[in-house]
Amino acid sequence: QVQLQESGPGLVKPSQTLSLTCTVSGGSISSGSYYWSWIRQPAGKGLEWIGRIYTSGSTNYNPSLKSRVTISVDTSKNQFSLKLSSVTAADTAVYYCARVAYEEYYYDSSDYYYYYMDVWGKGTTVTVSS
Amino acid sequence: EIVLTQSPGTLSLSPGERATLSCRASQSVSSSYLAWYQQKPGQAPRLLIYGASSRATGIPDRFSGSGSGTDFTLTISRLEPEDFAVYYCQQYGSSPPIFTFGPGTKVDIK
Repeated sequence: QVQLQESGPGLVKPSQTLSLTCTVSGGSISSGSYYWSWIRQPAGKGLEWIGRIYTSGSTNYNPSLKSRVTISVDTSKNQFSLKLSSVTAADTAVYYCARVAYEEYYYDSSDYYYYYMDVWGKGTTVTVSS
Repeated sequence: EIVLTQSPGTLSLSPGERATLSCRASQSVSSSYLAWYQQKPGQAPRLLIYGASSRATGIPDRFSGSGSGTDFTLTISRLEPEDFAVYYCQQYGSSPPIFTFGPGTKVDIK
């Protein structure tokens, strides 16, 4: 059973770069039809998707964060990582990593895809403060 | 960019009652790209429904999803004590390829 675990500093100073790593256990990050994603949630608020990466290195980011975000993958370590630059207090949140499954199915002679986040890490709290 | 709106913001019900949660999109969404998640305090979200109506592995059949186009519904047929939580809908937009969450509906005990 695949499990995800976030790790990284819990406190980051304003204007610095937030760096987190998600370690995948119980399976290879390269196997199957999956993307790997980061999501965050400020205290008491909703979920915000940050971005995703495929094991080829192909990425997509939330347009609202795109200028500050870099997601990378290290298949040899079964990990993927998040860097968020120039952080402010507004970046204080619980950060989750998640596996995004895309599943092909056929209907009426055409092929379609499901996309859904089926495995989540427990989350790690990052506070931006001096 | 597609915006998801969920209603009501809070639903106060008793165990055993039926819960009906709504998710409305600002423009048409492919049903295969619509998912629902449950989140309890201090926990990560858990996938309940994908493809608008397919239950994820291990999800009880009291949870069901329906809808198409811009209107989607999550129904909990009979609330169990462990079902009181926040529920989020999510859609995947293929162009550009981004994920969007709704603001959530809190189901609490009346």
